[in-house]
Order: sequence, then structure tokens, then C-alpha cells
Amino acid sequence: AQTVTQSQPEMSVQEAETVTLSCTYDTSESDYYLFWYKQPPSRQMILVIRQEAYKQQNATENRFSVNFQKAAKSFSLKISDSQLGDAAMYFCAYRGDGNKLVFGAGTILRVKS
Amino acid sequence: DADVTQTPRNRITKTGKRIMLECSQTKGHDRMYWYRQDPGLGLRLIYYSFDVKDINKGEISDGYSVSRQAQAKFSLSLESAIPNQTALYFCAPELGDRERTDTQYFGPGTRLTVL
Repeated sequence: AQTVTQSQPEMSVQEAETVTLSCTYDTSESDYYLFWYKQPPSRQMILVIRQEAYKQQNATENRFSVNFQKAAKSFSLKISDSQLGDAAMYFCAYRGDGNKLVFGAGTILRVKS
Repeated sequence: DADVTQTPRNRITKTGKRIMLECSQTKGHDRMYWYRQDPGLGLRLIYYSFDVKDINKGEISDGYSVSRQAQAKFSLSLESAIPNQTALYFCAPELGDRERTDTQYFGPGTRLTVL
């Protein structure tokens, strides 16, 4: 079974600085998708970024980018120019042939002004 | 994003009561999923449906049942609620098209408390 590990329970970043959230996963599949979701205090789950495993190019969405290392099974999220609104719980998720999302336990991101 | 509605948004109930959580979406997505979120455990899949006639169990289906009344509606029931079913429940329709295949967009969630 696939597993997703987020080794950082909590991270802090100064406003306008850059922070990287870590995610590793375990799978024997070669074709899959990886996601980062954000959950602010409103508890809404918001899609941040998506990566297809067959694409070598790292996905980017405005201030959010990923470092996808397929051989290492690593999928980190970089947030540039951090803003107060980025404070939230961030979840890494994997989706393979099983048609379900497998989530990590989450990382709480605090943004200091 | 898929327009997703979950009702109720918050519910407090007692042990042994039957509870139904409802989900509806307006984008016509075929696939729908139910997850529960517990602190420190991320989200875990309860049930999912690929169409009205296709219902599948997820990793934690015990104590739950579902009904896919129509393409747009997918309900989750707790036949006899127990305190360890206290959690945040999410419905997630799946958007699949050329640009965003296999992406699930989540509803606003239902916070359920079982006393």
C-alpha cells in the first residue's frame, strides 16, 4: 500500500521569506499524481498544486512550486514571498491506480509578521 | 472548482442515533468520494462512487453506509453513531478533463460530534 510521510509537524516562516515543506512517499507504481492541499482555519481543503509523475518539469503556481524527485520519491513544496494568508495546515497527497487520495498527516505552517 | 455543498455544516448527536450527511455538486462529475479527517491522521477514505451504480468501500468503511441518489448527490450515513466517529467529514467530487484529470476538489466539510 502507498504511504505518504510529512516529517515536519510544524514550520514557521517570516513574512516575505521562503519556506519549504517536505513530503516523501512510498509506492511501486510508475504512473501517479501528487498534490499539495492547504487547509486554513476555515477548514476548507484547497488545492495548491498538482504534479503528474510522468512529467519531469516541476509544477508551479504563482508563488508555489514543487521539487519533484521521482527516484527519491520526494515531493517538497516551496512557498516564496510568504504571506500571512499562507498560514494553514498543508497536506501532501498521492493518487495512483487505486483511485483514492492517500494523505500525509500534515504540516502546520505559521507565518510571522 | 466543482461547486460542492455539504449539509449540515455542523452536527452534534448522541450515541446510537442515525445520522445522514449529504453532499451535492453542480458540475456533473461522475466520481465522488467521502473522507474523514482526524487530528494527526490526515484524511482517510470512507467510500467512493464512480457512478450511480458503482459504490466502493474505502479503507475505513465499517460503521458507515452510502447512497448515490443521482449523479449529483452522494450521501453518507452513520447507522448507529458512536463517539469515535466524531470527526470532520469531507465530500470530494472528482474533476476529470484534459487539463485537470484526477483532481479532487473538496466540499466545505461537516463537523460531526457524537456524545
